Amino acid sequence: DAGVIQSPRHEVTEMGQEVTLRCKPISGHNSLFWYRQTMMRGLELLIYFNNNVPIDDSGMPEDRFSAKMPNASFSTLKIQPSEPRDSAVYFCASSPDTGGGTDTQYFGPGTRLTVL
Amino acid sequence: GQQVMQIPQYQHVQEGEDFTTYCNSSTTLSNIQWYKQRPGGHPVFLIQLVKSGEVKKQKRLTFQFGEAKKNSSLHITATQTTDVGTYFCVDSGGSNYKLTFGKGTLLTVNP
Repeated sequence: DAGVIQSPRHEVTEMGQEVTLRCKPISGHNSLFWYRQTMMRGLELLIYFNNNVPIDDSGMPEDRFSAKMPNASFSTLKIQPSEPRDSAVYFCASSPDTGGGTDTQYFGPGTRLTVL
Repeated sequence: GQQVMQIPQYQHVQEGEDFTTYCNSSTTLSNIQWYKQRPGGHPVFLIQLVKSGEVKKQKRLTFQFGEAKKNSSLHITATQTTDVGTYFCVDSGGSNYKLTFGKGTLLTVNP
């Protein structure tokens, strides 16, 4: 299995530009998570999907952030317009959702976003 | 899950020395998961503890869950440079999806 795939791995953009981060979860996993990691705030859960449906988006910072999961094998996290304070590493993770308690989450390699 | 307090925040050791990180909660935890994140890498699942007083070993790593299920520890025997990274303990109870990561413990090893 290829594991969770994220693209791009690095993104440098200018303030005000739209940024789209992409994620392909592990095949067969029903749950998908987007996290943001910074030195100051650590690892924060942004949004959680189960069976392609957003279940918990309480961690999404503001309206500039949006996430979609059009099918079981693809999700996007979009920031529009981007701001320098959005600079962080964004991780996508998936889990099998076996229903037997909290499942292991498998993290992708992350996208390092720099907004100038 | 709730955020669990973890100490120390940083630990620097000489290669070959032992290392321990501790997690504490004011309330009873359902389960604890441990993750490791290497510098520049992503969190990787190590283990899950479920039972009161549970002890699990992975080679030089020993994981413990307290009898009251309010604390947990990770002990590394004879550290190696490959052990460098941030170790997170995560409360994995209360729901079937939400992991609340704390600050973790950053371990550095001097060769």
